Amino acid sequence: DAGVTQSPTHLIKTRGQQVTLRCSPKSGHDTVSWYQQALGQGPQFIFQYYEEEERQRGNFPDRFSGHQFPNYSSELNVNALLLGDSALYLCASSRTANQPQHFGDGTRLSIL
Amino acid sequence: AQSVSQHNHHVILSEAASLELGCNYSYGGTVNLFWYVQYPGQHLQLLLKYFSGDPLVKGIKGFEAEFIKSKFSFNLRKPSVQWSDTAEYFCAAYNNAGNMLTFGGGTRLMVKP
Repeated sequence: DAGVTQSPTHLIKTRGQQVTLRCSPKSGHDTVSWYQQALGQGPQFIFQYYEEEERQRGNFPDRFSGHQFPNYSSELNVNALLLGDSALYLCASSRTANQPQHFGDGTRLSIL
Repeated sequence: AQSVSQHNHHVILSEAASLELGCNYSYGGTVNLFWYVQYPGQHLQLLLKYFSGDPLVKGIKGFEAEFIKSKFSFNLRKPSVQWSDTAEYFCAAYNNAGNMLTFGGGTRLMVKP
């Protein structure tokens, strides 16, 4: 039973570029959430997708956008990258919004 | 806005010592509470959860946590730690009204053999 898978594992970009991160949820899960984890901090909620719509959003600018596909997989897009966007980006899935979330290994994004 | 705070950033213990990690949350409504663990090189894993009922919940690997509503606390405990418990521990709260999981800053635990 595959868990949450994320791609790529590492990514290096320069300021001003755009990036797309991908996530496949655990089998049987329909809700996908994205988090940003800066070094030495806890994960910060970016947004959650359910039924292909953004259901809730954390305190992140519009440069952060997402999408959920009919097969429940999801993408996180970040435009106009800033140095401060360097972080580990985590995807998590769950059966419903308030059930325990299962996390992927994350994508390490470095901005030069 | 909901927030979760963890009192200890770093904890160092010897094997067989008892562990208690503090966690407080700010939201006054209905919350679901979680403790997650991240072992070195691995992804976040669920240790235990509290939704309702018995405020003392037991999780995997001998961990337990007590929900004290009056104190807005959900402290994690283990009577006797092992070297393999070395990891980072995160407390998290899910606000059913906001559909958002909020994490604390984490506690890095090192257990000396």
